[in-house]
Amino acid sequence: DAGVIQSPRHEVTEMGQEVTLRCKPISGHDYLFWYRQTMMRGLELLIYFNNNVPIDDSGMPEDRFSAKMPNASFSTLKIQPSEPRDSAVYFCASSLDLKNIQYFGAGTRLSVL
Amino acid sequence: GESVGLHLPTLSVQEGDNSIINCAYSNSASDYFIWYKQESGKGPQFIIDIRSNMDKRQGQRVTVLLNKTVKHLSLQIAATQPGDSAVYFCAEDNDYKLSFGAGTTVTVRA
Repeated sequence: DAGVIQSPRHEVTEMGQEVTLRCKPISGHDYLFWYRQTMMRGLELLIYFNNNVPIDDSGMPEDRFSAKMPNASFSTLKIQPSEPRDSAVYFCASSLDLKNIQYFGAGTRLSVL
Repeated sequence: GESVGLHLPTLSVQEGDNSIINCAYSNSASDYFIWYKQESGKGPQFIIDIRSNMDKRQGQRVTVLLNKTVKHLSLQIAATQPGDSAVYFCAEDNDYKLSFGAGTTVTVRA
């Protein structure tokens, strides 16, 4: 398996624009997680899905953030409108189960100007 | 609130020596812990995990020790190599979600 695949690797956009980050989990993994990493706050869980259903979105910063998982092999994290404080590295991870190893993608580095 | 934290933010080690990275956790109900390694520009990479019914677990050149009495976790790396230079995170399962510590930066001196 190629592991968790994220795209794009880098995204530069202007404040107010819509940003969509994409993730393909490892085949067969029932859980998918979206994290955000910043120097100030470290690695934070935003939301996670089980069998394509959002289970816990308590980490989503505000209504500008939304995530979907239309099928078992694809998920998106959307920010609309984007703001400079959204600049961070966003990671997607997947796992077979909770209390199990989460495998991370390479991340998307987002810069909002 | 309860959180996972690391004792030291940086560690400098001579190549060939053993490294010990420490982690304190405060949620006594946590029963699953993971160590990750993150190299610059990459995502966190799984190193080793341990469940609370164990005190020690060994992998290839790595050993994780869990002391539930004092809520302490450590990662030992044997014969540290230049490729071990990275940021190391411990994570605990907190209400079925992983909570990550701040990370320890390990630098290996040649």
